[in-house]
Amino acid sequence: GAVVSQHPSRVICKSGTSVKIECRSLDFQATTMFWYRQFPKQSLMLMATSNEGSKATYEQGVEKDKFLINHASLTLSTLTVTSAHPEDSSFYICSAEIQDISGLGGEQFFGPGTRLTVL
Amino acid sequence: LAKTTQPISMDSYEGQEVNITCSHNNIATNDYITWYQQFPSQGPRFIIQGYKTKVTNEVASLFIPADRKSSTLSLPRVSLSDTAVYYCLVGLINDYKLSFGAGTTVTVRA
Repeated sequence: GAVVSQHPSRVICKSGTSVKIECRSLDFQATTMFWYRQFPKQSLMLMATSNEGSKATYEQGVEKDKFLINHASLTLSTLTVTSAHPEDSSFYICSAEIQDISGLGGEQFFGPGTRLTVL
Repeated sequence: LAKTTQPISMDSYEGQEVNITCSHNNIATNDYITWYQQFPSQGPRFIIQGYKTKVTNEVASLFIPADRKSSTLSLPRVSLSDTAVYYCLVGLINDYKLSFGAGTTVTVRA
């Protein structure tokens, strides 16, 4: 099946710094990628939809100026957590969509996640 | 997206069949039912998807009654490695703004 990678897998940073997380589709092109956040013992929450060549669409309550998303190519989307604070510590997961031949549907493939710890 | 309700947790033993039922009373006509599996500190993994009746693949079976207001994921002969959180999602097949509920934590014991 299709493979989605994330880098780094784990990052620890100081409060106030910015952290960039990369999401790559390794063997397919993805016009749309998604970013999720998951706190301990909780479910995944969609943060934003990343569209190649255009601005990301953020879910309600997600600060677009704090979570910068760039989808510059069909295989790469990046999430930058700006001025990170301890409450931003979480597990960030991306996913990429493959459209099926009919164009009516597709399947999402998830990355392995990035564990962010802000001290 | 239709709201789903699943049991919070289920315990089982190796070799047993595990059946997880998901309620989705407000499922729409064009909605599909999809199940994902998530291991700790990993991204979710697609298990199976269906619209009605029964779907089977090499990993699991999905049973959907005629009214489609619920569905049951069946994991045959589970092993310790099947310990994970299982999510039931309902939505349009081409709507990939997935909305994950709380999921069901399945613990398989030796």
